[in-house]
Amino acid sequence: EVQLVESGGVVVQPGGSLRLSCAASGFTFDDYTMHWVRQAPGKGLEWVSLISWDGGSTYYADSVKGRFTISRDNSKNSLYLQMNSLRTEDTALYYCAKGGGTVGKIDYWGQGTLVTVSS
Amino acid sequence: DIQMTQSPSSLSASVGDRVTITCQASQDISNYLNWYQQKPGKAPKLLIYDASNLETGVPSRFSGSGSGTDFTFTISSLQPEDIATYYCQQYDNLPLLTFGGGTKVEIK
Repeated sequence: EVQLVESGGVVVQPGGSLRLSCAASGFTFDDYTMHWVRQAPGKGLEWVSLISWDGGSTYYADSVKGRFTISRDNSKNSLYLQMNSLRTEDTALYYCAKGGGTVGKIDYWGQGTLVTVSS
Repeated sequence: DIQMTQSPSSLSASVGDRVTITCQASQDISNYLNWYQQKPGKAPKLLIYDASNLETGVPSRFSGSGSGTDFTFTISSLQPEDIATYYCQQYDNLPLLTFGGGTKVEIK
């Protein structure tokens, strides 16, 4: 059974930094692209970032480019999101998600970790 | 950037009704479209991929159709457990993914 468990969400001040983690199990982690997707309170889904199976390629939404960094450690079956220069508009539930057989398909999601940016 | 416009933003229907949601892309995206269901307080779940393919384990009352810029998601007979918000998502503009604004489905 595929499991994705996020952690690291806390309350942080604007301009602060935070690192989210996602522990994956139930599938061959280093075979798949992984994503971060976020959802602001009461709002829709916003794709944030993706990383290729080997970590060699990373991509970001314009809203986080230059501030967030996605990475993975295949030896630990773990995905990360380093978040710097946080803004109030980054407040959201952050989901770790597994890419499906095609790059654009997300076939499993974690339960999310809440990041609140507030003074 | 490709914009995805879903309509309606919300709907109310009776159990057993046929429910249809549309998703329009701002440019031709072929069949590079997925549909997700998000129940209250839960993570999204993939229902339909590549516009019309049912994900394994998803009930057959769910279906999708369309290509190019216009897509449709249908629940053939609405059930109480289908109460959720439904999102379309395009992946023609890889590696960037874009979600529609969502359609909230409620029981009348």
